Amino acid sequence: QSALTQPASVSGSPGQSITISCTGTSSDVGGYSHVSWYQQHPGKAPKLIIYDVTDRPSGVSDRFSGSKSGNTASLTISGLQAEDEADYHCASCTSRSTLVFGTGTKVTVL
Amino acid sequence: EVQLLQSGGGLVQPGGSLRLSCATSGFTFSNYAMSWVRQAPGKGLEWVSAISGSGDTTFYADSVKGRFTISRDNSKNTLYLQMNSLRAEDTALYYCAGAPQRPNLRPNFDYWGQGSLVIVSS
Repeated sequence: QSALTQPASVSGSPGQSITISCTGTSSDVGGYSHVSWYQQHPGKAPKLIIYDVTDRPSGVSDRFSGSKSGNTASLTISGLQAEDEADYHCASCTSRSTLVFGTGTKVTVL
Repeated sequence: EVQLLQSGGGLVQPGGSLRLSCATSGFTFSNYAMSWVRQAPGKGLEWVSAISGSGDTTFYADSVKGRFTISRDNSKNTLYLQMNSLRAEDTALYYCAGAPQRPNLRPNFDYWGQGSLVIVSS
């Protein structure tokens, strides 16, 4: 199972919006509504910020939103803040009853 | 307070074995499917294995199938990963992670351990 494809890095200025893509296939992202996104600060465990493509866990800022079109899922961060600087990972279930993560994206706040 | 306390990492020679443990508290352990997720130095996350809340169903990534065994003891609220025939490419920080039990495996990990470092080197 190959990792889902994410851009290595995305950057933006405070207050701007950025979008991170997560591209898979019809056997994972495109075939299911179970795509999650995680935020990971250096030296910390990942934190769930989006699940089931669009849903946010309790306590997660509404500046984070998710969507999906075909085989590509996307995470949008609105009103970018310094604290959003972190690594972001997508994940999906697959047709082989496994899970697969993305390659990870480093977000830099300029 | 939810806690997942990991133990068992360390340095092991290629071909060797290691067992990781993840002791949990603060949530109903048997209601959660548990996974192991690893992260090689400077790399992204890689899902390794999962086990259903009851423990009767297990799942593995191709990269570890036949070498790693996931198990759980719901009476002790503890998850395990037995790692055999270790290779250099297994070197990573291993996290235990929990997702609400659902009919199908889903990547909705609400809870994470602190990570256990496994280094495979001679």
